[in-house]
Amino acid sequence: GAVVSQHPSWVICKSGTSVKIECRSLDFQATTMFWYRQFPKQSLMLMATSNEGSKATYEQGVEKDKFLINHASLTLSTLTVTSAHPEDSSFYICSAPDRVRGEQYFGPGTRLTVT
Amino acid sequence: DQQVKQNSPSLSVQEGRISILNCDYTNSMFDYFLWYKKYPAEGPTFLISISSIKDKNEDGRFTVFLNKSAKHLSLHIVPSQPGDSAVYFCAAKGNAGNMLTFGGGTRLMVKP
Repeated sequence: GAVVSQHPSWVICKSGTSVKIECRSLDFQATTMFWYRQFPKQSLMLMATSNEGSKATYEQGVEKDKFLINHASLTLSTLTVTSAHPEDSSFYICSAPDRVRGEQYFGPGTRLTVT
Repeated sequence: DQQVKQNSPSLSVQEGRISILNCDYTNSMFDYFLWYKKYPAEGPTFLISISSIKDKNEDGRFTVFLNKSAKHLSLHIVPSQPGDSAVYFCAAKGNAGNMLTFGGGTRLMVKP
């Protein structure tokens, strides 16, 4: 079946540094990808919609200068957490809709811990 | 304002019995509904979906029921197995775009 991968699966970084998370659709092309954030015991919160060839669309309250999104190709979107702070520690998940199959597939998630 | 709500944060069921997870929505523009299962530190896994033109969809042990007039859907798992223990999210989508709106999730615990 369709697979969406994320890299890295787990990262620890120091406050003030930047971290890049990759999301790849492995056997289908995705002109759109979604980035979610999940806090412990809470629901998935949509952060932004990544659009291939154009700017990302951010949800209300999400700082676009802090969470940089680049949809580099039809199979790759990246989320860069800039100048990370401990409150950015969370579980970040991407998803990509497969228009052919008509389903949306999720990546395995990336756990970010900022110390 | 939460457009998709799962009012039960947790549910405990005995192995072999039926698990019923509920979900309510407020946006009448939603026309496609999905259920996802999620283990800790993993991404959600698609379980089953239903279009608004149907009122029931069945796949093995999983059945989703949709009541459009009540804006309510439910996921039935029968028989429940210990491996079903996870957090279940319902999600809804409108006919424009692929953005999903998630409910808050229900943690299902199936006891052996």
